[in-house]
Amino acid sequence: DTGVSQDPRHKITKRGQNVTFRCDPISEHNRLYWYRQTLGQGPEFLTYFQNEAQLEKSRLLSDRFSAERPKGSFSTLEIQRTEQGDSAMYLCASSPMPGRGTPGETQYFGPGTRLLVL
Amino acid sequence: QKEVEQNSGPLSVPEGAIASLNCTYSDRGSQSFFWYRQYSGKSPELIMSIYSNGDKEDGRFTAQLNKASQYVSLLIRDSQPSDSATYLCARGGSSGGTSYGKLTFGQGTILTVHP
Repeated sequence: DTGVSQDPRHKITKRGQNVTFRCDPISEHNRLYWYRQTLGQGPEFLTYFQNEAQLEKSRLLSDRFSAERPKGSFSTLEIQRTEQGDSAMYLCASSPMPGRGTPGETQYFGPGTRLLVL
Repeated sequence: QKEVEQNSGPLSVPEGAIASLNCTYSDRGSQSFFWYRQYSGKSPELIMSIYSNGDKEDGRFTAQLNKASQYVSLLIRDSQPSDSATYLCARGGSSGGTSYGKLTFGQGTILTVHP
């Protein structure tokens, strides 16, 4: 399977615990994105990487959230001191760099990690 | 005003009909637009991208873009029950005509195609 993969697919944790999610992008894609989606809403952007550089972070990404992509391949998203409001689907997507003159790049999503904070 | 707004659903159409999904956006500098389909409990799956004014067709799907009106739509012809899903409209980031990074999504429109 050459698509985006995420691990774990489901995570149940207690409030106050730390959790870490992993995303493996499509191998030739150098951009990697994290989104969060709650029920009845569209995905909300959290952060993205181009290779190993984190280029943008949303205001949604509080100081309890940290993301890394140390070698420009897989990425991890850590949530410290989880709160019940963190319960959501965490989606990872990847895309190639847009070519010159190409106005946008298509992002391909992984299956997501569903987090439930009790 | 929301950055990307989709017509309120849910939308219900009979099998074989045309389903019309609409989306407006507020940033005039937006250059790229995407339609994703999301089945319940699953992740978004790309249907189409569109960058230029006019229509873009792919099988039973036609995306329409009107930058002057800041309007994007998706038509699904010969709707099938398997098309029942949430449809998400998204715009790519833009700055000075250059694409960057994130997608901004609408809230989604739930489509039900009944036999």
